[in-house]
Amino acid sequence: SYELTQPPSVSVSPGQTARITCSGDALANQYTFWYQQKPGQAPVLMIYKDRERPSGIPERFSGSSSGTTVTLTISGVQAEDEADYYCQSADTSGTYVFGAGTKVTVV
Amino acid sequence: EVQLVESGGGLVKPGGSLRLSCAASGFTLKNYSMNWIRQAPGKGLEWVSSMSPTTDYTYYADSMKGRFIISRDNAKKALYLQMSSLRAEDTAVYFCAREGLGLGSGGLDVWGQGTMVTVSS
Repeated sequence: SYELTQPPSVSVSPGQTARITCSGDALANQYTFWYQQKPGQAPVLMIYKDRERPSGIPERFSGSSSGTTVTLTISGVQAEDEADYYCQSADTSGTYVFGAGTKVTVV
Repeated sequence: EVQLVESGGGLVKPGGSLRLSCAASGFTLKNYSMNWIRQAPGKGLEWVSSMSPTTDYTYYADSMKGRFIISRDNAKKALYLQMSSLRAEDTAVYFCAREGLGLGSGGLDVWGQGTMVTVSS
């Protein structure tokens, strides 16, 4: 298996832009997914296939990819965006892996 | 409404066994790959296992191989996780989740609320 590396925390002011990176050797060849998790709740899929947004997810959430690093961008951060964010991908053996998670704090 | 509901969690002694269930409703289970993911208290998400729609393929995280067995009964609309030789480090909330169609392998678009497993003497 392999690892996905995320920063432990990101702080952002309301209305500003938050960027969360996720790095891993396999990301150049595998899709990445992003999940938001609030305390006591199940995760919610925010981005799939690196940059696609499921229906119902606000447009301020976007994804991008460059080589072995993918980025989740939250534009115009709102207080309700305070949560843990996890990236996830697959390796060639069919197993999946999550990053350790990034806590986004809106200050 | 599309829904997943886990059950079967509880307190178990080290070395013991437990079987988790996940009841699916609001969609046709046999069309989807399904997964188990866990989250230890205060920790991040850890992928546990997945199973293809018709049970042809199963995958496990290295630390679960040989101890956990994923299975499903599409007719009963249920997913299962048989856990044995449990250790304290298996203490976690266990979620079942659906892989969405057309999202790319691994895109988990529906999650249950989880069931807590505590391994302690």
